[in-house]
Amino acid sequence: DVKVTQSSRYLVKRTGEKVFLECVQDMDHENMFWYRQDPGLGLRLIYFSYDVKMKEKGDIPEGYSVSREKKERFSLILESASTNQTSMYLCASSLAGGQIDTQYFGPGTRLTVL
Amino acid sequence: AQKVTQAQTEISVVEKEDVTLDCVYETRDTTYYLFWYKQPPSGELVFLIRRNSFDEQNEISGRYSWNFQKSTSSFNFTITASQVVDSAVYFCALSEGDTGFQKLVFGTGTRLLVSP
Repeated sequence: DVKVTQSSRYLVKRTGEKVFLECVQDMDHENMFWYRQDPGLGLRLIYFSYDVKMKEKGDIPEGYSVSREKKERFSLILESASTNQTSMYLCASSLAGGQIDTQYFGPGTRLTVL
Repeated sequence: AQKVTQAQTEISVVEKEDVTLDCVYETRDTTYYLFWYKQPPSGELVFLIRRNSFDEQNEISGRYSWNFQKSTSSFNFTITASQVVDSAVYFCALSEGDTGFQKLVFGTGTRLLVSP
């Protein structure tokens, strides 16, 4: 079975803090994704990566950056957290870069910024 | 531009009732993929099904069935004899193209509440 894990289920941070959300997958997938989920808006893509050290902006990249130093790990970084970044963050991975394939999701991190 | 519409925000049923979750999509591509995911209260999105645009055959998996109709751009999901464990938020999603990166566009989700 595909396993995607996220470092924290719940996180509380203060405005202005630097926040790291970590995601690890154990299936040697090329592609990894970060989404945020908000009520009434569904899931929106923040960033994705199709290879180590490669990244592409999604639909809402403002206020976020990412890092992929190893194939299995994809980190989402909030350089200076703000209250409007309070949300559920979901990581996903998929096989075979360059082809449509199924994305498998982690359990999510519910981030609250005070 | 791609778009997925799930007009039903929340549906409440009693156990053993059948329920259909609607999904309508928009795309200009002739090659695309449609997905359904389930998000139980634990939060993790669970993959249910993927269907490509060239395969309009309906699919059945146990109590779950999917009806894909290109003529109406719909990919509806039916749960037969619903159970309390089916309570979750269900997302329909669309991905375009047969190559390139798999950017999924999600609908806003339908919350299904199944009461005993």
